[in-house]
Amino acid sequence: GNSVTQMEGPVTLSEEAFLTINCTYTATGYPSLFWYVQYPGEGLQLLLKATKADDKGSNKGFEATYRKETTSFHLEKGSVQVSDSAVYFCALLSGGSYIPTFGRGTSLIVHP
Amino acid sequence: DVKVTQSSRYLVKRTGEKVFLECVQDMDHENMFWYRQDPGLGLRLIYFSYDVKMKEKGDIPEGYSVSREKKERFSLILESASTNQTSMYLCASSSGSTNTGELFFGEGSRLTVL
Repeated sequence: GNSVTQMEGPVTLSEEAFLTINCTYTATGYPSLFWYVQYPGEGLQLLLKATKADDKGSNKGFEATYRKETTSFHLEKGSVQVSDSAVYFCALLSGGSYIPTFGRGTSLIVHP
Repeated sequence: DVKVTQSSRYLVKRTGEKVFLECVQDMDHENMFWYRQDPGLGLRLIYFSYDVKMKEKGDIPEGYSVSREKKERFSLILESASTNQTSMYLCASSSGSTNTGELFFGEGSRLTVL
C-alpha cells in the first residue's frame, strides 16, 4: 500500500534560518505529491504540489521537488519567519484515487 | 472565497451521548471526508463520501457513522460518545470531476468527551 514518512518534530529554528523537512513515500505508479500547512487553531491548507517527476512546486518562499529516483519530496525554505510556525503535512495521491495518504506531520517552531 | 464550514469549533459532551458534527461546503464538490487528528498520529480517515448517499469506511470507522443526504453537507455521528473519541475532527472536500487531488479543509471541531 501507499505510505508517507516525514521527519519527526518539532523542528526548532531561529528566524532567517534555512528549513528542510524531509518526506519520503512508497506508492504504486506515479502519484501526485503535496505539502499542506496547518497554522495554529486552523484546518489544513494546500501549500504546494507536484504532479510528475522533476516537477518543482513552490509557494510563499517554500519549494519542493518531486524526486522519483529517491522517492522524496523534501520541503525547503531559504529564510523562515516566525509566521511560518505551523504543522506541515506531506501527502500523496495515487492516480485514479480520491483518497490521499498523509504523513504524520512535522511541527515547525520559529523563534525571533 | 471557497469554504468548508464546520458547525461547532468546540464541543463538550458526556459519555454515552449522541454527537452530531456537521460540515457544509460551497464548492459543489463530489467528495467529502471526515478525519480525526491526534498528537503523534497525524490524520486518520474515518469515512469518505464520493456522492450523495454514498459512503466508504476509512481506516478507523468503528464507533462512527455518517450521513450525506445533500451534496453540500456531510455529517459525522457518534452514536454513543466515549472518552477515547476526544479529539480534533476535520472535515474536507475535493472535486471528483477535476480530481486535482487538492483537499479543502474546515477549521476543525475539537470534541471533549467527559
